[in-house]
Amino acid sequence: DAGVIQSPRHEVTEMGQEVTLRCKPISGHNSLFWYRQTMMRGLELLIYFNNNVPIDDSGMPEDRFSAKMPNASFSTLKIQPSEPRDSAVYFCASSPGLAGVSYNEQFFGPGTRLTVL
Amino acid sequence: AQSVAQPEDQVNVAEGNPLTVKCTYSVSGNPYLFWYVQYPNRGLQFLLKYITGDNLVKGSYGFEAEFNKSQTSFHLKKPSALVSDSALYFCAVRPGRNDYKLSFGAGTTVTVRA
Repeated sequence: DAGVIQSPRHEVTEMGQEVTLRCKPISGHNSLFWYRQTMMRGLELLIYFNNNVPIDDSGMPEDRFSAKMPNASFSTLKIQPSEPRDSAVYFCASSPGLAGVSYNEQFFGPGTRLTVL
Repeated sequence: AQSVAQPEDQVNVAEGNPLTVKCTYSVSGNPYLFWYVQYPNRGLQFLLKYITGDNLVKGSYGFEAEFNKSQTSFHLKKPSALVSDSALYFCAVRPGRNDYKLSFGAGTTVTVRA
């Protein structure tokens, strides 16, 4: 199993540009999570999908952030327009089952390190 | 609201010595507890979890953790540390079966010196 795949691994962009981060969850996993990791705030959950449907997006910082999951094998996190304070490592994670009624662990991707200049 | 505390930012031990990484939690009900490890420039890797049953749980790479309900703790332990155990360790808690949100601690950097 290839694990959770994220691309790109590194992204450097200028303020105001659109950024799209991509994630391919582990096959068969139907829960998907996007996290953001910074030194100041640690790991924060941004959004949770189950069976491709967004269940909880309360962690999305503002309207500049959006996430989609058009099918079971692909999700995107988009920032438009990007700002320097969005610089962070963004992780995608997946887990089998319905996260709210199971106790399965989450499997994390390698992350995308985003730098907004 | 649930929360997790890892009181030590850093833990330094000599190779071959016991390693302990501390974690305390605050959550109502019966929590699900997890430990993850993060190596440089990598994603988090699952080590072990406590759901119910035996308070001592064993996980990957020789790690174990003990759930202590009265002290609301879930400390990670390894009897004999290796240099390769040097990494960032995260404790995480879910309030229970009907909540999917993982709350992570701030992390503890473990350095094992040869």
